[in-house]
Amino acid sequence: GQQVMQIPQYQHVQEGEDFTTYCNSSTTLSNIQWYKQRPGGHPVFLIQLVKSGEVKKQKRLTFQFGEAKKNSSLHITATQTTDVGTYFCAGGGYIGGAQKLVFGQGTRLTINP
Amino acid sequence: KAGVTQTPRYLIKTRGQQVTLSCSPISGHRSVSWYQQTPGQGLQFLFEYFSETQRNKGNFPGRFSGRQFSNSRSEMNVSTLELGDSALYLCASSFGLAGGGSYNEQFFGPGTRLTVL
Repeated sequence: GQQVMQIPQYQHVQEGEDFTTYCNSSTTLSNIQWYKQRPGGHPVFLIQLVKSGEVKKQKRLTFQFGEAKKNSSLHITATQTTDVGTYFCAGGGYIGGAQKLVFGQGTRLTINP
Repeated sequence: KAGVTQTPRYLIKTRGQQVTLSCSPISGHRSVSWYQQTPGQGLQFLFEYFSETQRNKGNFPGRFSGRQFSNSRSEMNVSTLELGDSALYLCASSFGLAGGGSYNEQFFGPGTRLTVL
């Protein structure tokens, strides 16, 4: 089954509204990465979190890694049309009996201008 | 520094044919992973290679295979193509494991869009 779950699958917001996507793992992760894929493009690395409880910010984007290192979130404040795309989390660690990097299913964000 | 390159960028095949896709990683990267992406779907993991060895494999049938060469370039092959194989195939390169079980940042190529008729 899916080892790294990401919700919601889709999110539509009005420009200016906030947006959050959540990532959950059944096992403790060594690190979590976040990627953004613009429509028609390929995933591009945004950030990596390694420490328990870590919080990092990139302008309007806030990334969190849970205390148990099993969940993470990406929050965008006051969305802009440039934020449109699919956001993927990827958990690294010993998952499903092997050392691997597992991507979540992604959250597709669309924005009404 | 040149990015990850994938060739060809577009490919049209018919059912039953076979196809080979190529991926050239960023210089110095020894890890190459392959993913299948269909419309509305996430990134379905195919396999990961590191220094010519397959380190991980996803849940795809044996028709999907891959290999990595000594210069870290990688190829994936799909035999006996089916309509459902139509997808964007992405490869990603990285330095591999970062220690402590962490993974280094993945650099994705532009992908090969395969259409099976």
